[in-house]
Amino acid sequence: ETGVTQTPRHLVMGMTNKKSLKCEQHLGHNAMYWYKQSAKKPLELMFVYNFKEQTENNSVPSRFSPECPNSSHLFLHLHTLQPEDSALYLCASSQRPGRGTDTQYFGPGTRLTVL
Amino acid sequence: ELKVEQNPLFLSMQEGKNYTIYCNYSTTSDRLYWYRQDPGKSLESLFVLLSNGAVKQEGRLMASLDTKARLSTLHITAAVHDLSATYFCAVDSFAGQDKIIFGKGTRLHILP
Repeated sequence: ETGVTQTPRHLVMGMTNKKSLKCEQHLGHNAMYWYKQSAKKPLELMFVYNFKEQTENNSVPSRFSPECPNSSHLFLHLHTLQPEDSALYLCASSQRPGRGTDTQYFGPGTRLTVL
Repeated sequence: ELKVEQNPLFLSMQEGKNYTIYCNYSTTSDRLYWYRQDPGKSLESLFVLLSNGAVKQEGRLMASLDTKARLSTLHITAAVHDLSATYFCAVDSFAGQDKIIFGKGTRLHILP
């Protein structure tokens, strides 16, 4: 696989479920990001990880819990979500951390629907 | 707080015509990105503009950056249907933070 991959591509869950989104980058990058894209808002940055350390949490509710075990993998653990959390969740990576200076490469996204 | 505004948000145009998408931002930055997103797909990097006066071209698309005016433009020359997509600009927050701020996107529809 090349680039940035995300699984699953589609996810439907109830408000009481617990699920996880997975992202893997095959680019040798050191920074990884989670974004939320919903119909009515601009692309929203959620979390940033540089060298496995979280450097940004953009006031994201605690029902979203990120995990970055290494520079190539990023997870987003979901629990007790709300219907308004339904959106496209995009993962991205970039070469160097710091100021988001490098081009970010995006994965295909996970389309999440919360019932 | 950095704000990024794009206009227009929707654009329908005929093939063969020229048009420009504008991206304004509110605070100092010298790094700006343009991305393309096809329906149901992820974002694809088009251009990275790193200095005042930077101009980059790829096919029928040309992007420029004026940091003094805090303005970037994406110019489309002789549009073709394949360029139909949503185009986003994004600006480096330039505040010691590891993030860039995206505009709302311009949905471009090119009519044959």
